[in-house]
Amino acid sequence: QVQLQESGPGLVKPSETLSLTCTVSGGSISSYYWSWIRQPAGKGLEWIGRIYIRKGTNYNPSLKSRVTMSVDTSKNQFSLNLSSVTAADTAMYYCARDAPRINLVPTYFADWGQGTLVTVSS
Amino acid sequence: SYELTQPPSVSVSPGQTARITCSGDALPKQYGYWYQQKPGQAPVVVIYKDSERPSGIPERFSGSSSGTTVTLTISGVQAEDEADYYCQSADSSDTSHVIFGGGTKLTVL
Repeated sequence: QVQLQESGPGLVKPSETLSLTCTVSGGSISSYYWSWIRQPAGKGLEWIGRIYIRKGTNYNPSLKSRVTMSVDTSKNQFSLNLSSVTAADTAMYYCARDAPRINLVPTYFADWGQGTLVTVSS
Repeated sequence: SYELTQPPSVSVSPGQTARITCSGDALPKQYGYWYQQKPGQAPVVVIYKDSERPSGIPERFSGSSSGTTVTLTISGVQAEDEADYYCQSADSSDTSHVIFGGGTKLTVL
């Protein structure tokens, strides 16, 4: 089973860029699709986007203009940048491994990190 | 935009059967997936491909699909099943995108 661990600042100022990293162990970063998902306190889950080293990225249309994801194969890590943050971006951020696709369609999230809380506040 | 609709809450007594529904227009064409999330924990998939159960998930968890609705059934509910449950599927307009339902709080009375 793949293990994932999120890391990054817990506090980000409004209008700045939120940057998080997910470190993967127990599997190669090059072998799977990887996603970011967030969850405001007391609310539901929101998929942010995914990255696959051989296919590029897919982003949630509602966040696409502010999201960038990247992969560092040398460190077996992938990262999330979310620009121009506001208080509405305050949430628990999870990284996850996508389960294998079916007929090229994404399926579900098989492994999750424990999550990291990011607060947007001045 | 495409949505998956779940009831906000379901309550059952221990030993009874809980059914949580998830409705969406794309569900006849796209698989539904179910996650269980307990307080302070990351979600865990309990049903995939509408009705498949991952290894390690108790047999009391089952899933079904009919038309635009997928249903998570928990038979013989136990106190430990109290949690939030989320359905997930692919966005009908672009299947590379993921959609979650709003979540259902299962309360074991």
